[in-house]
Amino acid sequence: KQEVTQIPAALSVPEGENLVLNCSFTDSAIYNLQWFRQDPGKGLTSLLLIQSSQREQTSGRLNASLDKSSGRSTLYIAASQPGDSATYLCAVHMDSNYQLIWGAGTKLIIKP
Amino acid sequence: GAGVSQSPSNKVTEKGKDVELRCDPISGHTALYWYRQSLGQGLEFLIYFQGNSAPDKSGLPSDRFSAERTGGSVSTLTIQRTQQEDSAVYLCASSLASGGSQYFGPGTRLLVL
Repeated sequence: KQEVTQIPAALSVPEGENLVLNCSFTDSAIYNLQWFRQDPGKGLTSLLLIQSSQREQTSGRLNASLDKSSGRSTLYIAASQPGDSATYLCAVHMDSNYQLIWGAGTKLIIKP
Repeated sequence: GAGVSQSPSNKVTEKGKDVELRCDPISGHTALYWYRQSLGQGLEFLIYFQGNSAPDKSGLPSDRFSAERTGGSVSTLTIQRTQQEDSAVYLCASSLASGGSQYFGPGTRLLVL
């Protein structure tokens, strides 16, 4: 059974710092992996999707990497801003399975 | 273009009443998902629709929960005889195809008194 883990559960850093959020999964036979952000009281926003054949995806200040063999993905945020404060969730699609298996999220606070 | 919309945004109901939650997916998206997020918890998969195929209801927590998708577009999630433990945010998502990026609606916050 696939399990997705995000550590730490919460992270607080000063504005301007570069930071890395971690996501690990137990079964490497994934179809793809997605990173989302969730703002308080709101729905989820898709940030990046990495196919199983890809190593990384970039969007603006965000870079997501994927290492299937080690069961890990990281979300790198450059030059963090207070507006980046949110909960970041990763989720995986398994082969031939449309369900997303979710991590519990990392709550990120960027201090001005 | 318009994203995924959900209505109502908030719903307060009394225990034992039935509720209907609506989801309008992005036009052209064939896949539609319902999730539930309880306070401080992760997302819980409920049900999935893909085109005209029979939905996967494996995530529905009890037979009080049901969902329909009419004409391959709008979906309604119905909870009968609501219980206090049904209180949660119900999120709907759609994707162009199964396995693709999922786009979420703002959710319906349900409170059962």
